[in-house]
Amino acid sequence: GAGVSQSPRYKVAKRGQDVALRCDPISGHVSLFWYQQALGQGPEFLTYFQNEAQLDKSGLPSDRFFAERPEGSVSTLKIQRTQQEDSAVYLCASSLPVGTSTDTQYFGPGTRLTVL
Amino acid sequence: LAKTTQPISMDSYEGQEVNITCSHNNIATNDYITWYQQFPSQGPRFIIQGYKTKVTNEVASLFIPADRKSSTLSLPRVSLSDTAVYYCLVGDNTGFQKLVFGTGTRLLVSP
Repeated sequence: GAGVSQSPRYKVAKRGQDVALRCDPISGHVSLFWYQQALGQGPEFLTYFQNEAQLDKSGLPSDRFFAERPEGSVSTLKIQRTQQEDSAVYLCASSLPVGTSTDTQYFGPGTRLTVL
Repeated sequence: LAKTTQPISMDSYEGQEVNITCSHNNIATNDYITWYQQFPSQGPRFIIQGYKTKVTNEVASLFIPADRKSSTLSLPRVSLSDTAVYYCLVGDNTGFQKLVFGTGTRLLVSP
């Protein structure tokens, strides 16, 4: 079946612009994660949803970052007034909840954001 | 979440066996050890997970000594396509697992 998809794959924004990054998780996966990966570094956790509930947003670097998953499937990560330090790859992952056979997270290909 | 330490980079040649060791001295009783692989321009991909002793799947083997303070990912007969970054992660195996990645090990396989 289809994996996690993300769009756009690449986004160039001018400093100060708002951007929206989309994630389509694997069908039936109730857990959804967002990570940020800077060049040469490992991914860093941003936020977590279980269905439509955002249970952990401790990794969001500032109040310019906002994530939502209103219907418990597709999620959008929004960054307002982008800054150059926001340039990174934004990864989305989904997984099955507690009690299922595996908690493996399945990652999408990421969106590479470049802020000029 | 336990901190992990692994080599920054490794080099190998096609057909060789590659062993990547990860140290996790502060691993907790409930923690599992998981390895992910990441190719350029792709998200990380789950390779293998274990709790103790040895685990083997079609891709790799994972060796975990009795004290569980380290683990070794073994890739048999690597090919050029195994060139990637390999991450060792340690955490409890509950439904919500906030993955904590280090900088990983960059494996370069040459002809």
